Amino acid sequence: GENVEQHPSTLSVQEGDSAVIKCTYSDSASNYFPWYKQELGKRPQLIIDIRSNVGEKKDQRIAVTLNKTAKHFSLHITETQPEDSAVYFCAAFRPGFQKLVFGTGTRLLVSP
Amino acid sequence: NAGVTQTPKFQVLKTGQSMTLQCAQDMNHNSMYWYRQDPGMGLRLIYYSASEGTTDKGEVPNGYNVSRLNKREFSLRLESAAPSQTSVYFCASSIGQAQETQYFGPGTRLLVL
Repeated sequence: GENVEQHPSTLSVQEGDSAVIKCTYSDSASNYFPWYKQELGKRPQLIIDIRSNVGEKKDQRIAVTLNKTAKHFSLHITETQPEDSAVYFCAAFRPGFQKLVFGTGTRLLVSP
Repeated sequence: NAGVTQTPKFQVLKTGQSMTLQCAQDMNHNSMYWYRQDPGMGLRLIYYSASEGTTDKGEVPNGYNVSRLNKREFSLRLESAAPSQTSVYFCASSIGQAQETQYFGPGTRLLVL
């Protein structure tokens, strides 16, 4: 089945720096890739997503890029702020299986 | 709109006890999901219901059963709880297929002694 690998598992940056989280997927048929942010003790919430017909998508300080050939996608956060500290999950959707497969998460810590 | 709600918020069980986790959504979504979240393992799909009247196994279905009671409600049952089922359980829903945004409930923290 689909397998999603996510790196790094933890990431520490200084406020104002950029942060990049990378995910790879195994099934070339996957066509939808959302990113979720989960603050401590809270539920996961969608922050951005990308479909396979698009190479890049931006929303203010966050962006996602997709390389279908290499089967990887990345989350980019610029000008990080302490409130960006959370666990971030990537996921991939494979048509025909009607379900998301999640990566294992990246704990991002932004220090003031 | 309350979105996705779950009850209870927290539960302690003894090994062998049974319980049902409740989930409801008021967004008129067709698809609903149950996940468990364990440290370092992300979110793993237990069962899902693509539409009212259907349910399918996910990644880790053993030890669980589900019921799609109606379009709004999707319950998860542990017939004989085991310590390995200690986890945080999240319910989620989406408009249609999993390709669409999934909205998560607040979670149920379950401890099995």
